[in-house]
Formats: sequence, C-alpha cells, structure tokens
Amino acid sequence: DIQMTQSPTSLSASVGDRVTITCRASHHISTYLNWYQQKPGKAPKLLVSGASSLQSGVPSRFSGSGSGTDFTLTISSLQPEDFATYYCQQSYSTFFTFGPGTKVDIK
Amino acid sequence: QLQLQESGPGLVKPSETLSLTCSVSGGSVGSSGYYWGWIRQPPGKGLEWIASMSYSGITYYNRSLKSRVTISVDTSKNQFSLMLNSVTAADTAVYYCARQQLVLDYWGQGTLVTVSS
Repeated sequence: DIQMTQSPTSLSASVGDRVTITCRASHHISTYLNWYQQKPGKAPKLLVSGASSLQSGVPSRFSGSGSGTDFTLTISSLQPEDFATYYCQQSYSTFFTFGPGTKVDIK
Repeated sequence: QLQLQESGPGLVKPSETLSLTCSVSGGSVGSSGYYWGWIRQPPGKGLEWIASMSYSGITYYNRSLKSRVTISVDTSKNQFSLMLNSVTAADTAVYYCARQQLVLDYWGQGTLVTVSS
C-alpha cells in the first residue's frame, strides 16, 4: 500500500501570507496526486489534480507542484475563505490513500 | 450539474450491517469511464477510501475492509450502495459517496453513521 504523509500537521497563518503544504508518498507515484480542501461539516472539494492542474473555478492563488514522491500545495496569498483542512490523495494505485491532512487556521 | 446524496440509517448496532445508498442526479451511474465510490471520515479524523465500482461490475476495495464490504450499482435506479458487515464502534464515521476517476470530483454531503447499542 502507498502511504501518504503531510507536513505540517497544522499551521497558523495570517491573511495575505504565503502558505506551503508538503505531501510525501511512500512509493513513486509520478504525478498521480490530488489535493482537496475540506471545511468543517462539509465534503472535501477537489482543488488540484495530476499534481499541478487547477480545477475549474479554483482561484489562481492555489498551485500544486511535484512528481515522484514529493509534492507541494501553495497558497500564494491566504484569504479568509482558505482557512480549512487540506488533504493530498494518491491515485497511482487503484487503492486510493489520503494524507492525514493539514489544518490551516487563523493566527 | 451532477449531484450525489447519501441515505441510510444513522444508527447501527454493533455486529450488525451498515447499509447506505447514494442517489445520483444530473448524470448516470451507467456512464462509461467512471467509477462510483465510498469514503469515510471518523469524527475529528482524516479521510479513508473504502471501495469503488464501475457500472460494469469492476470493483476495488480497501484491503483493510475488503472482507466486510460489498458495493453494488443499480443502473435502473441510478444509485449505488455500500454494505459493511460486523460493524464496531470503530466504524462510526461520516460516510461520503463520490464519483471516481483518477480523482474524486463530485461528492455527496455525507451522512453520519454511529455504531452503538
């Protein structure tokens, strides 16, 4: 099974800050890496697919990069609506696995 | 716009079977190229993918749950279902259904299932 890790587990940031979240896979997964945003009481929302493809309607302040085993999600200028938990997920294997999540809250 | 909606009992007794249905509107579960999946999230914890199935019957399971899980698709009702047997308190979670390709791009709102006597 492909294990996913994320760092940090949580972070506190201010509006306007640049935020970077890291995801690491236990095996090579090429660019089969997706990012989701989840707000309390809501279903996850797909932000980025294929490591770097922004979904339609997702603000351009979000970007994804990486390949192989190491990936990042960057928010270039944090906005109030971005405070949420972010999960990475691999689809290299038919057995999908998620990272443990990174909670972004207000400093 | 594709919409998914989970339904089923919110309370299940230990050792019994959890049964959930996901109703799909704005699209067809019979569409080729898509799978239909289930994901769960215990209270305050992360996401766990459970299983997925295509309309043609190809299925994939989380190995840790495989022995207890059955997933099915009903094209006549445009629904798909999850059954999880021999439940324990550890199966208490919000259960989501979703459309699956290489991503999980459309999700239901989720339904909380509590396992308790």
